[in-house]
Amino acid sequence: GQNIDQPTEMTATEGAIVQINCTYQTSGFNGLFWYQQHAGEAPTFLSYNVLDGLEEKGRFSSFLSRSKGYSYLLLKELQMKDSASYLCAPQILNTGFQKLVFGTGTRLLVSP
Amino acid sequence: EAGVAQSPRYKIIEKRQSVAFWCNPISGHATLYWYQQILGQGPKLLIQFQNNGVVDDSQLPKDRFSAERLKGVDSTLKIQPAKLEDSAVYLCASSFLAGDTYEQYFGPGTRLTVT
Repeated sequence: GQNIDQPTEMTATEGAIVQINCTYQTSGFNGLFWYQQHAGEAPTFLSYNVLDGLEEKGRFSSFLSRSKGYSYLLLKELQMKDSASYLCAPQILNTGFQKLVFGTGTRLLVSP
Repeated sequence: EAGVAQSPRYKIIEKRQSVAFWCNPISGHATLYWYQQILGQGPKLLIQFQNNGVVDDSQLPKDRFSAERLKGVDSTLKIQPAKLEDSAVYLCASSFLAGDTYEQYFGPGTRLTVT
């Protein structure tokens, strides 16, 4: 089976840095996506890691360790608009087609 | 570029009634996904189409849920009969292909309430 674990909720202050961890146990692992989802809205793509290491994209960075089944999303210079759920989604390859298995998400609350 | 379109945005039905959702993916996207997202949880894949063929429906409750993608473009998801536990947001997503770094683009979702 597939198992994804991430904290349910985190709080942080505007301007701070926050790291959201995700551990996974999956078969057919091919890479890992992070999506952002504001309340009542659809998920939007943030990052994709296929190789070990850090991928940086502006204020957001994502890290992957395939051997440890571990990823994190790092958010710098937090803004109020970053209050949202962050979904960790390992990509599974099955019979040549990829699918995503989503975790329950981490709800991030950014306060002034 | 137009995004993924879904309708209706909201639907309220009584249990045992039937309901259908419609999705129009981004033009040129071969892969289409239907997800169920229950409040407080991540999206759960119900069914995945590659063009008009099903490649994964392992988590689709086939006794009550059905989906089709005629002509490899638009898709409909149907629930018949609905149960209280079907109350959720139904998300449609599409991607150019179903491999590697092709990210999925999500539609706004249909919020279903079963009373």
